Amino acid sequence: EDQVTQSPEALRLQEGESSSLNCSYTVSGLRGLFWYRQDPGKGPEFLFTLYSAGEEKEKERLKATLTKKESFLHITAPKPEDSATYLCAVQAFSISGGSNYKLTFGKGTLLTVNP
Amino acid sequence: NAGVTQTPKFRVLKTGQSMTLLCAQDMNHEYMYWYRQDPGMGLRLIHYSVGEGTTAKGEVPDGYNVSRLKKQNFLLGLESAAPSQTSVYFCASSRTGRSGNTIYFGEGSWLTVV
Repeated sequence: EDQVTQSPEALRLQEGESSSLNCSYTVSGLRGLFWYRQDPGKGPEFLFTLYSAGEEKEKERLKATLTKKESFLHITAPKPEDSATYLCAVQAFSISGGSNYKLTFGKGTLLTVNP
Repeated sequence: NAGVTQTPKFRVLKTGQSMTLLCAQDMNHEYMYWYRQDPGMGLRLIHYSVGEGTTAKGEVPDGYNVSRLKKQNFLLGLESAAPSQTSVYFCASSRTGRSGNTIYFGEGSWLTVV
């Protein structure tokens, strides 16, 4: 069974204080690891997909990295508008060999950035 | 850009009532999904569809039914609503592909069963 664990559950930062969010995963065969951002009352918004260990992707103040067991979302010099819940999810190759693109999500990290 | 559109956005039901949540996507995606999101539980897959006319069960399918009569639409039905089905429901869609496939979400439907 695929499992995703995110830590910490909540993180409070001061504006400009860099930090990282962790996503540990267990999956039979990783097709892709996804990061989403979710604002209150909204649906998850896609940020990144990582496919293989060693891969990195960046978008503005966010940088996602991937190893064989975990992914990190690094936030550099965050601003209050970066406050949101960040969700990590894995997509696995189907054991039966058929197509299966469903995501297994972690419970998220609630990030609050104070001005 | 409409993307994934869900209706209604808010609904209150009495226990035992039935209702249907509608999802429409304009991205010509093959795959569609229904998730529910509950505090402390994260997003959990209810049902999904890999193409028009096909549906499959996810992690938490009990009490729900789905239909995919048209490629762009995916309907989630509650035949006899229960308080345990109070949740936020998200529809999502993705295209097919060999690599990891990005799933795009709608804005959510808030359902309360009293």
